[in-house]
Formats: sequence, C-alpha cells, structure tokens
Amino acid sequence: DSGVTQTPKHLITATGQRVTLRCSPRSGDLSVYWYQQSLDQGLQFLIQYYNGEERAKGNILERFSAQQFPDLHSELNLSSLELGDSALYFCASSKGTTYNEQFFGPGTRLTVL
Amino acid sequence: LAKTTQPISMDSYEGQEVNITCSHNNIATNDYITWYQQFPSQGPRFIIQGYKTKVTNEVASLFIPADRKSSTLSLPRVSLSDTAVYYCLVGAEMDSSYKLIFGSGTRLLVRP
Repeated sequence: DSGVTQTPKHLITATGQRVTLRCSPRSGDLSVYWYQQSLDQGLQFLIQYYNGEERAKGNILERFSAQQFPDLHSELNLSSLELGDSALYFCASSKGTTYNEQFFGPGTRLTVL
Repeated sequence: LAKTTQPISMDSYEGQEVNITCSHNNIATNDYITWYQQFPSQGPRFIIQGYKTKVTNEVASLFIPADRKSSTLSLPRVSLSDTAVYYCLVGAEMDSSYKLIFGSGTRLLVRP
C-alpha cells in the first residue's frame, strides 16, 4: 500500500460526458501528479501540482483540467469524453517540488462507451 | 524533441543479472533519473534513483555516465517475481517548459 488513495476504482461512462477523478496524497506529501496509461501507450504525464499551485504541465488536453485543494487532495476533471480517453489514470505524490520518489495510487480505470 | 528510449522487451533466467538501458538525450540539468517497476493493473513502484555515477540499494544498481544521456538499471540475480515492466523517468526541458517523461517501458520476462 503506497498510502495514495484514488477514487473511484472503476468508472464507466458515455461519450460526451464529464467525470471527476479524485486523489488523496500520502500524509506529508505536497506534490501530486496525474498520469494517463492507455493500452497502446505507456505512461503519459499530464500535470503536477505542488501545494496548490501548478508546477509542471505535460500533454494534458484542453478538455482535461486539474486542481489541488488546500487539504492537498487533487481532482482531475475530464470533459467531453471520447472513446480514446479510455485508460488507467494514476495519481502519484511526492514530498518536494522537483520530483523525487513518487508514490503511485492504484489507479482509476475509465471506460468510455 | 525530448525522447526517452528503452528496449521493448527482455528475456532472462532466474539467478541471472539483467541490465536495462534507457536513453534520455534532453534530460534537464538538475533532474534525477528514476526507475519504476510495474505489475499488471497496479501503479508503478519506485526502484532506484540517481543523478550521476553509480547508486546501489538493496534491490538494484543504477549506472549513469558523465554526460547523463543514458542510464542502466541493473537487477542482480533476478527471480520469477521480477517479471514486470520497467520504466525510466526523467525530467526534460521541452518547449520552454518542464515535463516529466516516462520511457516506453521494458517488459522483462524471467524464466525458470
């Protein structure tokens, strides 16, 4: 158990819909990262927050957005969903601003029908 | 364009040493190189991290040459339970911004 929790574990929705994925980092960790892993691609970095502020941005689509709240939990919002958005979404956390050892959650499996 | 390259797959036998190399030509100056292990339907798990030269912990060693454009993860005496996908992760400066780049992953199969 990494100490990072993600909800929900599974999510099935339809094209055009909007969903919110939630992540709680390990106690004491200030950075949260979001990654997408689809069957035909590896781990794609989406975005990183540190203590509520956006720190680094990867290949995150404009239809996706994220935020980190004062209690340090984070949410990833995916809107206007397409079939290609079906993937495993991982959240990770670490202590510092630059990435150190990241602890990954169990992931949320999103299926868009 | 920053790119991180790893072999797609490797086969080994129990008890052998396995070396997996990752090339990362645009690594950011201050960034570390980190390796992760991933089992099916699980999140990646940290193995080892280094900046330059050699780092060793209880499960692996990491070799990084002076130019830091590549790194080699060394797993001594692998066992069946080491069958997994191994990823390198680096930070890279791209398009005047900072991004985290995972390698494409190396699928290691350890045979008895």
